[in-house]
Amino acid sequence: GQQLNQSPQSMFIQEGEDVSMNCTSSSIFNTWLWYKQDPGEGPVLLIALYKAGELTSNGRLTAQFGITRKDSFLNISASIPSDVGIYFCAGPSSNDYKLSFGAGTTVTVRA
Amino acid sequence: ETGVTQTPRHLVMGMTNKKSLKCEQHLGHNAMYWYKQSAKKPLELMFVYNFKEQTENNSVPSRFSPECPNSSHLFLHLHTLQPEDSALYLCASSQEKLGLGRLSSGNTIYFGEGSWLTVV
Repeated sequence: GQQLNQSPQSMFIQEGEDVSMNCTSSSIFNTWLWYKQDPGEGPVLLIALYKAGELTSNGRLTAQFGITRKDSFLNISASIPSDVGIYFCAGPSSNDYKLSFGAGTTVTVRA
Repeated sequence: ETGVTQTPRHLVMGMTNKKSLKCEQHLGHNAMYWYKQSAKKPLELMFVYNFKEQTENNSVPSRFSPECPNSSHLFLHLHTLQPEDSALYLCASSQEKLGLGRLSSGNTIYFGEGSWLTVV
């Protein structure tokens, strides 16, 4: 699978702040997935994106499939303490059957 | 609750032990996967099964031996592991096996809660 570059690696945010993170790839992706992993648990799917330009929301989370098909963005609005965790992007590149994962963005919320 | 259940959640084993990890999915999916998650590394795909047939072995050492008796159950048999094999092992499933560069709308991969393995 392709290597996905996810940034930032970690962030400390104030409760109530909006958060943005992104994921880029050197190859074209036809699907982007965003997962959240709580400590000691498996990744839980947050949002799936299937079309370039697509903007999808899930509660306070909004994700976008970049027009170039080589990037995706995840925004969390009005962060709360339970937003703590590691957020992963994932997707299969257009020439590959494998699902690649980013290294994750660790979010820590200050009360 | 994602519909993918893994047991045990935690396992400590010696290097000469034989143990197994179990995964069961209640989603009616046809494809199942084993991933390894080590600290500060992206998830690593280990094995893929589609309709009970192994379709991918991602250069995994033979001390890891998967078994898929039916589409709902997946095992990972462990034998003579090394300390560096300590990690979180994640099972996942999807309706259909990942297609070339695409997951169709509604066909997404769901993970279990993971089995924490410590090899001593």
